Amino acid sequence: AQSVTQLDSQVPVFEEAPVELRCNYSSSVSVYLFWYVQYPNQGLQLLLKYLSGSTLVESINGFEAEFNKSQTSFHLRKPSVHISDTAEYFCAVSATSGGYNKLIFGAGTRLAVHP
Amino acid sequence: DAMVIQNPRYQVTQFGKPVTLSCSQTLNHNVMYWYQQKSSQAPKLLFHYYDKDFNNEADTPDNFQSRRPNTSFCFLDIRSPGLGDAAMYLCATSRQGYSPLHFGNGTRLTVT
Repeated sequence: AQSVTQLDSQVPVFEEAPVELRCNYSSSVSVYLFWYVQYPNQGLQLLLKYLSGSTLVESINGFEAEFNKSQTSFHLRKPSVHISDTAEYFCAVSATSGGYNKLIFGAGTRLAVHP
Repeated sequence: DAMVIQNPRYQVTQFGKPVTLSCSQTLNHNVMYWYQQKSSQAPKLLFHYYDKDFNNEADTPDNFQSRRPNTSFCFLDIRSPGLGDAAMYLCATSRQGYSPLHFGNGTRLTVT
């Protein structure tokens, strides 16, 4: 069975500093991985995804994540954060089931960017 | 813009009084999901529809039901809400395969 572990429940960081949000997964089959961001009182928005191909995936707002099969990790990074990046970030793995995408989410990491 | 719309954004109901949450989509996706998210927790899948086929998660209480009258709409019915059912309820859609899920903004349910 697939599972996801987000190693940090909260990450405080100063504006313009780099940040890494850690995610480890467990899966016995082909892996499809996602990062979602959730702003207060809103739904989840897709940040980036790994389905196949290049192990480094990037989002349009400066985040990137690297799929590392040997370490079963999919950590999210940004070289310089902004106040507006303050949000909850969820890592998710796709559980293979019947040809549709059933996501298993980690517990989330709250990123707090301070001025 | 194609999107997933949930109504209402905030719903207050009384203990034991049936409540229905609604979700509509303009993406024409054939899979629709309902997730429950309690405060500071990960979203938890309750059930999903693959076209008209309903799929219930094993640990979803019988108190929770769903209806999908057509491709665009899906409803979550809570027959007898308890205090423990207070949560954010998220609707999501996807195409078949490993396509990403598209989420609505959620309905926050309060049970008094």
